[in-house]
Amino acid sequence: GQNIDQPTEMTATEGAIVQINCTYQTSGFNGLFWYQQHAGEAPTFLSYNVLDGLEEKGRFSSFLSRSKGYSYLLLKELQMKDSASYLCASMDSNYQLIWGAGTKLIIKP
Amino acid sequence: ETGVTQTPRHLVMGMTNKKSLKCEQHLGHNAMYWYKQSAKKPLELMFVYNFKEQTENNSVPSRFSPECPNSSHLFLHLHTLQPEDSALYLCASSQEWESSYEQYFGPGTRLTVT
Repeated sequence: GQNIDQPTEMTATEGAIVQINCTYQTSGFNGLFWYQQHAGEAPTFLSYNVLDGLEEKGRFSSFLSRSKGYSYLLLKELQMKDSASYLCASMDSNYQLIWGAGTKLIIKP
Repeated sequence: ETGVTQTPRHLVMGMTNKKSLKCEQHLGHNAMYWYKQSAKKPLELMFVYNFKEQTENNSVPSRFSPECPNSSHLFLHLHTLQPEDSALYLCASSQEWESSYEQYFGPGTRLTVT
């Protein structure tokens, strides 16, 4: 079956670095997405990886290893506004997104 | 208005009621989606429309009925719902279906079935 695993909740300190891991098993693979969702708001696109390696975009970076079925989202210089849920989603061979349940990130001062 | 909008933002309905959720996208996209988001569960894809034609129906009960009159508007008609249907219903759009373009989401309708 198709499955996405990510931690339910993580806590980090303002100014620090946090890494949110995601493992996936899908029928075929057309890329890995990360979305951010603040409470009561729409998910917003953060990153897309289809090739192995690290993609950096400001304070956020996303890594993909296709052979390991593994991705992570790296958030640097954490700010209070980064408190949100982070959703990992793998796109299968039919271009359907298979979603994880999300990781709730709590930032403490 | 920009992006993807949804109305109403909150809806409380009884099991015998009929209501409709509305979604509108102002991005010129060709594909639109309905998702169900329940607490601590992954997003569940319900329906996909591409150029107004329904392309996916992921075994959704018939008490949910989608309608797509044009590429910019999407409705979800609800009737005789069950309490377990209470959830956040998200609409999304993307440039194309069956592509790796990112999806843009609306703020959702928080539905409570009593």
